Amino acid sequence: DGGITQSPKYLFRKEGQNVTLSCEQNLNHDAMYWYRQDPGQGLRLIYYSQIVNDFQKGDIAEGYSVSREKKESFPLTVTSAQKNPTAFYLCASSKPGQSYSDTQYFGPGTRLTVL
Amino acid sequence: AQSVTQPDIHITVSEGASLELRCNYSYGATPYLFWYVQSPGQGLQLLLKYFSGDTLVQGIKGFEAEFKRSQSSFNLRKPSVHWSDAAEYFCAVGAESSASKIIFGSGTRLSIRP
Repeated sequence: DGGITQSPKYLFRKEGQNVTLSCEQNLNHDAMYWYRQDPGQGLRLIYYSQIVNDFQKGDIAEGYSVSREKKESFPLTVTSAQKNPTAFYLCASSKPGQSYSDTQYFGPGTRLTVL
Repeated sequence: AQSVTQPDIHITVSEGASLELRCNYSYGATPYLFWYVQSPGQGLQLLLKYFSGDTLVQGIKGFEAEFKRSQSSFNLRKPSVHWSDAAEYFCAVGAESSASKIIFGSGTRLSIRP
């Protein structure tokens, strides 16, 4: 089955540590996205990538980094510079450039908690 | 720049009753509009989308939404809700010029009264 997988589902981090969240898709989508979701709030865009080896900052990129070495993978690193990293992180993908194909499809999310 | 507003933070309806969730958007041209649903601790699932054509859009799980340009609205409706519809609902708007980027509303939490 085609879809988006995120791992791990739950992640605990000590203050000062960097952690990397995994996102993989087998939908053959060109674009991938990372969002952060806090309780009672909508989704805020962290980074997005429209093609391999290229990515752009979203609205809240500070304290985060990404890479896009393969079409299928878009890992997100939460660095120690992110002051309040406890949140639910969602990865999505889409195939822009085609009619009705800009729809974003989401993974199941990773809940990160800083201890 | 586009924006989207969901005026209702939390709505409670009785099982079997009708439902309407409100969504207002701001965008100069014809927007791309979406409704997503999120169960607790899960990702978002697409319910329906509007890009062009018929302004009444049918989606999954018995949901529909109507695009009203004059009111800048894209309200989600269901004639009879089920207990399993309890979830968070997000309206989102995209733009043709930057179709890769969409803006999400803050969500409406739906509770179902037995």
